[in-house]
Amino acid sequence: QKEVEQDPGPLSVPEGAIVSLNCTYSNSAFQYFMWYRQYSRKGPELLMYTYSSGNKEDGRFTAQVDKSSKYISLFIRDSQPSDSATYLCAAERGNTPLVFGKGTRLSVIA
Amino acid sequence: GAVVSQHPSRVICKSGTSVKIECRSLDFQATTMFWYRQFPKQSLMLMATSNEGSKATYEQGVEKDKFLINHASLTLSTLTVTSAHPEDSSFYICSASGQALNEKLFFGSGTQLSVL
Repeated sequence: QKEVEQDPGPLSVPEGAIVSLNCTYSNSAFQYFMWYRQYSRKGPELLMYTYSSGNKEDGRFTAQVDKSSKYISLFIRDSQPSDSATYLCAAERGNTPLVFGKGTRLSVIA
Repeated sequence: GAVVSQHPSRVICKSGTSVKIECRSLDFQATTMFWYRQFPKQSLMLMATSNEGSKATYEQGVEKDKFLINHASLTLSTLTVTSAHPEDSSFYICSASGQALNEKLFFGSGTQLSVL
């Protein structure tokens, strides 16, 4: 079992929809959780960074971590065509390399 | 966010040549830099971790003599693909973290290597 599991999609939604992206992880030692956005042939861009359980909101993006169920979520409100990209979740134990999910390809259709 | 600069963005070379990729942290000191490889529609695969002034730590299955990593300063790491072959064609991405950023990880823009 991979340490971080993520459905690769693809996920296609109409413009304005709420998008829900999810990951599960197996290692209870993970403390830091991140979401990255990657456009084709570009490096990943850090979107959200959370420590332990809880919610974090930044504009149209909300990240949720539920450590009891080992579940990570990213919600995108009022999705735009410019949100079309691959979204990668990642987890870290602290001072160790990140463990990435496979990434979910999202298409927002105008 | 912090800026990590990676060059070149794209390189095409003949089989047997060596290619050097540079990764620079522009506005922070990167105590640790990571090198990843990514195949089309696949996730990032960690190749090696480098700490300034130390030898790089390579992941299992990555040939250290083929992928030479140098982290000579707190702002620069290089990856040299020696005697490149077509199977080395891939998207290579560096990332950097530093204590001033609470160890958050920022990525370069990536280098598309095509070996003919």
